[in-house]
Amino acid sequence: ETGVTQTPRHLVMGMTNKKSLKCEQHLGHNAMYWYKQSAKKPLELMFVYNFKEQTENNSVPSRFSPECPNSSHLFLHLHTLQPEDSALYLCASSPQSRQGTTGELFFGEGSRLTVL
Amino acid sequence: AQSVSQHNHHVILSEAASLELGCNYSYGGTVNLFWYVQYPGQHLQLLLKYFSGDPLVKGIKGFEAEFIKSKFSFNLRKPSVQWSDTAEYFCAVNPNTNAGKSTFGDGTTLTVKP
Repeated sequence: ETGVTQTPRHLVMGMTNKKSLKCEQHLGHNAMYWYKQSAKKPLELMFVYNFKEQTENNSVPSRFSPECPNSSHLFLHLHTLQPEDSALYLCASSPQSRQGTTGELFFGEGSRLTVL
Repeated sequence: AQSVSQHNHHVILSEAASLELGCNYSYGGTVNLFWYVQYPGQHLQLLLKYFSGDPLVKGIKGFEAEFIKSKFSFNLRKPSVQWSDTAEYFCAVNPNTNAGKSTFGDGTTLTVKP
């Protein structure tokens, strides 16, 4: 049990499908993140939300659309993806105050996405 | 922007051997430093962290890391590895600012032979 729950754990979709990844954290944190983990590549930061506001979009293509309705939930909406988008998508949270954050991340188990 | 370099992509050791994984970063300001571990089939989890104070920090499972500011390094060590230490290890750097954006190294895969 990590305190950060991601669903679904596995997802296979076609390039024309629309799907969503969900993340929920039970740690009382105020910052949430989406990372992409591909084989042979470092973790890539995609989006950051602090106190429900998006504070970082790391040049992510618009076919990935995040949503953060509250500090506990984070979604990643997927639309017309490409096969090269196949990867493990990791959600993380961190304790964030108005003064800042240490950067310590608490990760979910990830959603393994395969785009056909 | 900061960057993180992990020198070893794949390390293979026998049980009881000593381990040192290198991590160097580039960033001119104050940073918080982390090592995360990902055991096979499991989520990424924190191994140890450095914020300030004693540059030698101890983490879980007998791991430790030393921050050498002059070398921009944060190497991970363990005196005697076990088969259960087989995992992927990631070094991460977070600027000591309000942004909270950690940059990760490529990761090092450690295989410990029984």
